[in-house]
Amino acid sequence: AQTVTQSQPEMSVQEAETVTLSCTYDTSESDYYLFWYKQPPSRQMILVIRQEAYKQQNATENRFSVNFQKAAKSFSLKISDSQLGDAAMYFCAYLDNNDMRFGAGTRLTVKP
Amino acid sequence: DSGVTQTPKHLITATGQRVTLRCSPRSGDLSVYWYQQSLDQGLQFLIQYYNGEERAKGNILERFSAQQFPDLHSELNLSSLELGDSALYFCASSVLGRVNEQFFGPGTRLTVL
Repeated sequence: AQTVTQSQPEMSVQEAETVTLSCTYDTSESDYYLFWYKQPPSRQMILVIRQEAYKQQNATENRFSVNFQKAAKSFSLKISDSQLGDAAMYFCAYLDNNDMRFGAGTRLTVKP
Repeated sequence: DSGVTQTPKHLITATGQRVTLRCSPRSGDLSVYWYQQSLDQGLQFLIQYYNGEERAKGNILERFSAQQFPDLHSELNLSSLELGDSALYFCASSVLGRVNEQFFGPGTRLTVL
């Protein structure tokens, strides 16, 4: 079974600074998708960014970007110019034709 | 507001009971997904329906079942409830398959006493 590992249970960043959240995964598939979801205190799950494994170019959405290293099976999320509203749990997720798995999450705190 | 609605918002019941959680997807979305989020197991994918048919199964227990109706709303049935079933149950929907963006509902908080 595919596993998703987020090795940082908690991270902290100063407002306006940059932070990187780590995610590694294990799979024998060649075709899959990776996601970062944000879960604020409201518990709503919000898609932050998506990466298709067949694409070499790293996905970017405004202040959010990923560093996708397929060979290393690594998928980190970089948040630039952090804002107070970025404070939340962040989940890394893996999806292929047969399975979808989430990491345990990283709680991000943003300090003013 | 994602456009996905879930009822009820909270549910408190006793062990051994059966409950039904309901989800209405966003208008136009054909796929519905169910997830369980608990403190010890994290967020787990349970099951996906696409246009009324089961499309994929995750870590769904045999005591749990789901269906998607012709109007595309979905219900998750949980029976013979155990204390460990206490969790937040999310429904999500997407236009087509899982690779599309999934929009999550606000969740149903189930407490089994």
